[in-house]
Amino acid sequence: SQQGEEDPQALSIQEGENATMNCSYKTSINNLQWYRQNSGRGLVHLILIRSNEREKHSGRLRVTLDTSKKSSSLLITASRAADTASYFCATGVNTDKLIFGTGTRLQVFP
Amino acid sequence: NAGVMQNPRHLVRRRGQEARLRCSPMKGHSHVYWYRQLPEEGLKFMVYLQKENIIDESGMPKERFSAEFPKEGPSILRIQQVVRGDSAAYFCASTTPTGAYEQYFGPGTRLTVT
Repeated sequence: SQQGEEDPQALSIQEGENATMNCSYKTSINNLQWYRQNSGRGLVHLILIRSNEREKHSGRLRVTLDTSKKSSSLLITASRAADTASYFCATGVNTDKLIFGTGTRLQVFP
Repeated sequence: NAGVMQNPRHLVRRRGQEARLRCSPMKGHSHVYWYRQLPEEGLKFMVYLQKENIIDESGMPKERFSAEFPKEGPSILRIQQVVRGDSAAYFCASTTPTGAYEQYFGPGTRLTVT
């Protein structure tokens, strides 16, 4: 089964609100990454957090990692309609394959 | 600096035909990964290659699927005798040889088997 499970599966919010997505995984990891995928398009890398880090920021994105609970969260602040996309977490053990979660579909209404 | 390139972007094949998907990694990248995405699902790892070498093919179906990354030219994912269940988006990603974890994805090839 897939390494990552994401919650919620779908999320609808108004522009300006914050969006929080959660990801849980099963085994020890080296790093966890978040990707965005617009409908019918490829994946765009958003942020990478290593297993020895607890929090990371990039612009309006904030990622946390709790290795004791094997979970991560992605917070998008002050959301925009252009943030509408599917968001995936992916875990890596080393430079090998990434194991992707099932994704959260975010819809931001203007 | 061009990103990861994949072609074709869309491919339609009849059952029983062969599908060849090509991936050119970013300049300076020598590690290539192939993933498959079924509709409404996340990506699933298929194979990890370096130049002239398959590192990990644990996600590849045992039959009909093969992958290569020759010394010269793009990486090729080959699906023989396609079936309807092979219809999916196939994504290629590349990384540098220096142990970076971030993978850069191509736009994908959408395969439809009729």
